[in-house]
Amino acid sequence: QQKVQQSPESLSVPEGGMASLNCTSSDRNFQYFWWYRQHSGEGPKALMSIFSDGDKKEGRFTAHLNKASLHVSLHIRDSQPSDSALYFCAASGLSGTYQRFGTGTKLQVVP
Amino acid sequence: GGIITQTPKFLIGQEGQKLTLKCQQNFNHDTMYWYRQDSGKGLRLIYYSITENDLQKGDLSEGYDASREKKSSFSLTVTSAQKNEMAVFLCASSMLGGTNYAEQFFGPGTRLTVL
Repeated sequence: QQKVQQSPESLSVPEGGMASLNCTSSDRNFQYFWWYRQHSGEGPKALMSIFSDGDKKEGRFTAHLNKASLHVSLHIRDSQPSDSALYFCAASGLSGTYQRFGTGTKLQVVP
Repeated sequence: GGIITQTPKFLIGQEGQKLTLKCQQNFNHDTMYWYRQDSGKGLRLIYYSITENDLQKGDLSEGYDASREKKSSFSLTVTSAQKNEMAVFLCASSMLGGTNYAEQFFGPGTRLTVL
């Protein structure tokens, strides 16, 4: 069964708009989260991590974690065509486990 | 910075054939991983290795073998290629062996086609 669920499956936003992606872990042991981005033909690259409740901002990207519900979101402000990619959420627990990746959200930023 | 190199970039094999994919990293990372990605979908872990000569099964290990010959290299063997496993195979590495919330660094992938 899928331990990490992402929504929506795909998303289209206008250039300059806000993109919001969601991720939920179904296992309370998995509460450390990373967001990765994968451009076509490349391997995924890490965008940011979030391990504590609340918001974490890095440039145009803001992640929000609610540990009680094991829900994490990623918001991309002022979206650019170069942000068009597949976005993965990955969740892990303490030492002895490994990161589980979600099914991904395909983001398209339309000029 | 470092880099992860995967060879070959494209691999074409016959059904039933044994095929080997190779991965090298120069980050000096302890932990290395092999993932399978089907057509623009999520990543599924096949094998990982916390240190040289260590092997751990992931969620999708059946039909695959792996080998960690040295700290910098990790190989994956498809024991008998099947048409339904055409996919991109991604190698990754991370530091802090055993600390699995560490950032993972990925290679560009090997695209497998089975005829």
